[in-house]
Amino acid sequence: AQKVTQAQTEISVVEKEDVTLDCVYETRDTTYYLFWYKQPPSGELVFLIRRNSFDEQNEISGRYSWNFQKSTSSFNFTITASQVVDSAVYFCALSEGWESGANSKLTFGKGITLSVRP
Amino acid sequence: DAGVTQSPTHLIKTRGQHVTLRCSPISGHKSVSWYQQVLGQGPQFIFQYYEKEERGRGNFPDRFSARQFPNYSSELNVNALLLGDSALYLCASSWGVPDRGTYEQYFGPGTRLTVT
Repeated sequence: AQKVTQAQTEISVVEKEDVTLDCVYETRDTTYYLFWYKQPPSGELVFLIRRNSFDEQNEISGRYSWNFQKSTSSFNFTITASQVVDSAVYFCALSEGWESGANSKLTFGKGITLSVRP
Repeated sequence: DAGVTQSPTHLIKTRGQHVTLRCSPISGHKSVSWYQQVLGQGPQFIFQYYEKEERGRGNFPDRFSARQFPNYSSELNVNALLLGDSALYLCASSWGVPDRGTYEQYFGPGTRLTVT
């Protein structure tokens, strides 16, 4: 069965600090997909990134970067120079690939509440 | 283009009642999924529909049912409501065929259901 663990529950930083959100996953599939979503207070989940299991290249998008390491089953998310607008709950999610059947359900972690103070 | 829309935004029901939640996917998306998010937890998968067929069901009782219409919109129905059904119900749409790889799922704003 697939599982996502976000061990950090709440993180508080001061604006302009860098912050890393950890995500560890479990799956028996060799093909799978990892995601990060942001949930601001309004409640809507905002898609940030999708990464497949065959692509271990790190990715950078502006102040956001992601580090995918299959050897440790981790997919960590770093925000550089954090801003108050980054305050939200961040979810890591996993979807298994073709081997596991005919749907693409997402399994989410419990989320990390990030507070960025001015 | 409009994103995923859901109605209503908020709903208050009494135990034992029935509720219907509605979702319209992004134009061109044929797959719709439903998730339940209890306060303080991550979303839990309820159903996925593609081309009007159920493609997946999560670990939820038979009181939960859903369907997808020819225009790809979807309804989630919950019968015999319990206090524990109080949650944010999220709808997500996706372009791709579910069994041919996983595509990004785009979420709507959700319907907040309170059962008293």
